Amino acid sequence: GENVEQHPSTLSVQEGDSAVIKCTYSDSASNYFPWYKQELGKGPQLIIDIRSNVGEKKDQRIAVTLNKTAKHFSLHITETQPEDSAVYFCAASGTGGGADGLTFGKGTHLIIQP
Amino acid sequence: NAGVTQTPKFQVLKTGQSMTLQCAQDMNHNSMYWYRQDPGMGLRLIYYSASEGTTDKGEVPNGYNVSRLNKREFSLRLESAAPSQTSVYFCASTRPPGEQYFGPGTRLTVT
Repeated sequence: GENVEQHPSTLSVQEGDSAVIKCTYSDSASNYFPWYKQELGKGPQLIIDIRSNVGEKKDQRIAVTLNKTAKHFSLHITETQPEDSAVYFCAASGTGGGADGLTFGKGTHLIIQP
Repeated sequence: NAGVTQTPKFQVLKTGQSMTLQCAQDMNHNSMYWYRQDPGMGLRLIYYSASEGTTDKGEVPNGYNVSRLNKREFSLRLESAAPSQTSVYFCASTRPPGEQYFGPGTRLTVT
């Protein structure tokens, strides 16, 4: 089945700086890679996703890049703001996560320092 | 459009007690999921249902049972709760090919 590794587990950046979170996956057949943001006391919320036929996708201050050859994908947040503080999860569609095959990384706690 | 709803929000059980966690979605999705979230472990799949009338085990099914009551509702039952089942439980539904929408979670403590 699919295995997703996520790094770092904790990331602290100064407000206004950029943050990068990286994930690797094992199943070369995976073709869908979403990112979720989880605020304290809430459920994860989809913030951006990318499919395997695209190398990069942007949505305002958030971007995701995908390298299919190396089997890794990254989340980039620019001009970080206090409301970006949260836990972020990457996921990949494979064969281990159920009917639609999503397997999650263990999460990154992003801390924005004022 | 409420999305995915879960009840209860909080629950405390004694070891050996049983309970059912309820989940409903109003997005007409076929697939529904139950996850548990523990510190440092991320989201682990307990059971899923690809469509009404079908259920399958995920990564950590022991100690749980599920029922897909209809297309909207997917419940998770703990027959005899154990302290190891203290966790936050999330229900989710999926719009193919993988956009999962999560409920707000149930925080369960087993003493």
